[in-house]
Amino acid sequence: SQQGEEDPQALSIQEGENATMNCSYKTSINNLQWYRQNSGRGLVHLILIRSNEREKHSGRLRVTLDTSKKSSSLLITASRAADTASYFCATAQGAQKLVFGQGTRLTINP
Amino acid sequence: GAGVSQSPSNKVTEKGKDVELRCDPISGHTALYWYRQRLGQGLEFLIYFQGNSAPDKSGLPSDRFSAERTGESVSTLTIQRTQQEDSAVYLCASSTAGSTNEKLFFGSGTQLSVL
Repeated sequence: SQQGEEDPQALSIQEGENATMNCSYKTSINNLQWYRQNSGRGLVHLILIRSNEREKHSGRLRVTLDTSKKSSSLLITASRAADTASYFCATAQGAQKLVFGQGTRLTINP
Repeated sequence: GAGVSQSPSNKVTEKGKDVELRCDPISGHTALYWYRQRLGQGLEFLIYFQGNSAPDKSGLPSDRFSAERTGESVSTLTIQRTQQEDSAVYLCASSTAGSTNEKLFFGSGTQLSVL
């Protein structure tokens, strides 16, 4: 079964608005990672947040982690057309295996 | 190389044929993963290699699927007697070590179409 589940499955917003995606997981984790996928091919790592961190920033990205609720959120501020992609969270299942969720398909409308 | 390289980028085959997919990880990366992604779906874990340790094959969907890796270099994923349900993008990723504290670097994938 999937460890991480993203919500919503699809999100469509206007350029310039903020986009928020959520990820829920089931078991305890050491860290949680977010990836972006353009055009259904290779994924690109965006950010990693450790279990003892509550918030992390990278450019226009802000990630939060609530281990008590077993959830994380990815916020993209001031969205651009180039942000159109699918976004996945990934958590460790066992010591070494990264398991990905189903993803959120984000569309930024000009 | 500069990144993870996968070949072929596209493969069309007939039902029942065998196919072999190749992955060249980033030089020095000891961990290598294979994932499968059906259209519009998430990534499905297939197999994981870490150095000379026994691979984690827990995600292989059937005995038609197998994978090999020579040391810390190239890996091949073989699908025997392909079925239409095998149609998907097969993604390879590598990382510097086997820890899940490391980020994965992905190749561009192989789009497999079984007719």
